[in-house]
Amino acid sequence: NAGVTQTPKFRVLKTGQSMTLLCAQDMNHEYMYWYRQDPGMGLRLIHYSVGEGTTAKGEVPDGYNVSRLKKQNFLLGLESAAPSQTSVYFCASSRGPGEETQYFGPGTRLLVL
Amino acid sequence: GQNIDQPTEMTATEGAIVQINCTYQTSGFNGLFWYQQHAGEAPTFLSYNVLDGLEEKGRFSSFLSRSKGYSYLLKKELQMKDSASYLCAVRDKGNAGNNRKLIWGLGTSLAVNP
Repeated sequence: NAGVTQTPKFRVLKTGQSMTLLCAQDMNHEYMYWYRQDPGMGLRLIHYSVGEGTTAKGEVPDGYNVSRLKKQNFLLGLESAAPSQTSVYFCASSRGPGEETQYFGPGTRLLVL
Repeated sequence: GQNIDQPTEMTATEGAIVQINCTYQTSGFNGLFWYQQHAGEAPTFLSYNVLDGLEEKGRFSSFLSRSKGYSYLLKKELQMKDSASYLCAVRDKGNAGNNRKLIWGLGTSLAVNP
């Protein structure tokens, strides 16, 4: 039981490049989340999903897109990376209604030059 | 509005007790979480309080007072490995769309010295 995993662990991009961050969970959780964490800003929710095929905007969705085609996977896309998107990205999942403790993946460190 | 306040930094001595406070203001309260985050790692779940009172788990306990908008995390018999950031997060009742989002504090960085 691996819990929540994220791919890649670290990436360097040039401004304007695109990439996809992959999150996978093997706990059969309904809900999944993408956060970014920056010094002095804390954890900020980018997008989240309450089930397969559904997504919703969080606090800072601009510049990101997401997809949840399979229950166990939640993808975060950056279509045209900007230096302001340099951050640590965490994926999390929770079981669902009534049990909303979030379990986090190890994070992806992204540097946009 | 919605706001969570925690001290930015705290220091304590190995073997001692430390209390990390969290105050919050939300439009509707539906539970409070404490997470631990070591440098360079992901947050890990510590505790969840939804009713007033003290919840104890081994070396740490978490307290909640909903009327005061206040919680604390108490850790005793501190060890060097307890040096980490401690994040307070509140689940706001909000409307159905917001019901699953947490409001996160900025975290309290705890340094345990020998």
